[in-house]
Amino acid sequence: DVKVTQSSRYLVKRTGEKVFLECVQDMDHENMFWYRQDPGLGLRLIYFSYDVKMKEKGDIPEGYSVSREKKERFSLILESASTNQTSMYLCASSIGTSAYNEQFFGPGTRLTVL
Amino acid sequence: AQSVTQPDIHITVSEGASLELRCNYSYGATPYLFWYVQSPGQGLQLLLKYFSGDTLVQGIKGFEAEFKRSQSSFNLRKPSVHWSDAAEYFCAVGDNNAGNMLTFGGGTRLMVKP
Repeated sequence: DVKVTQSSRYLVKRTGEKVFLECVQDMDHENMFWYRQDPGLGLRLIYFSYDVKMKEKGDIPEGYSVSREKKERFSLILESASTNQTSMYLCASSIGTSAYNEQFFGPGTRLTVL
Repeated sequence: AQSVTQPDIHITVSEGASLELRCNYSYGATPYLFWYVQSPGQGLQLLLKYFSGDTLVQGIKGFEAEFKRSQSSFNLRKPSVHWSDAAEYFCAVGDNNAGNMLTFGGGTRLMVKP
């Protein structure tokens, strides 16, 4: 069965801290994505990666960076967390080169920045 | 740039009643269209998708959606709602010209009355 796991379900950090959100998929998918989900705004794409060590900016990359050193793992990094980064973060993965291929989602990490 | 609008933020229906969730998109060419569902505390799960062919698409859990090019719509329907359908529903459009990116609508939260 397809599986995307995220390292934490809930996380509380302080302003200015460096935060790492980890995502692992076991499906050998080429593509991995990080979204943030906010009420009324749906999901907005932060970054995505279509291969190891490759990354592309999404719609809202400011304040975030990513790392993909291995095919199965995609990390989202908040270099200096701010309160406006309090949100739900969802990771997803998909196979191949077509946008028609299903994205499989992890359960999400709810991050609170105090 | 593509965009997706879900006009209804909240919808409440009685169990056993029919359901229609609205989705309008803006996209220059023939889009890839998706409906995802997010149950409480869960990641997103694909209900159905459309690219070409029959404009009425069947999905999982008894859902269907109809693509209407003239109205730029892809509305989700179910003839008889069950209490377990209470969730948040997201419409999305995909674009091969922008990698495998999806653009999501703001979501519609469905509540089911007994």
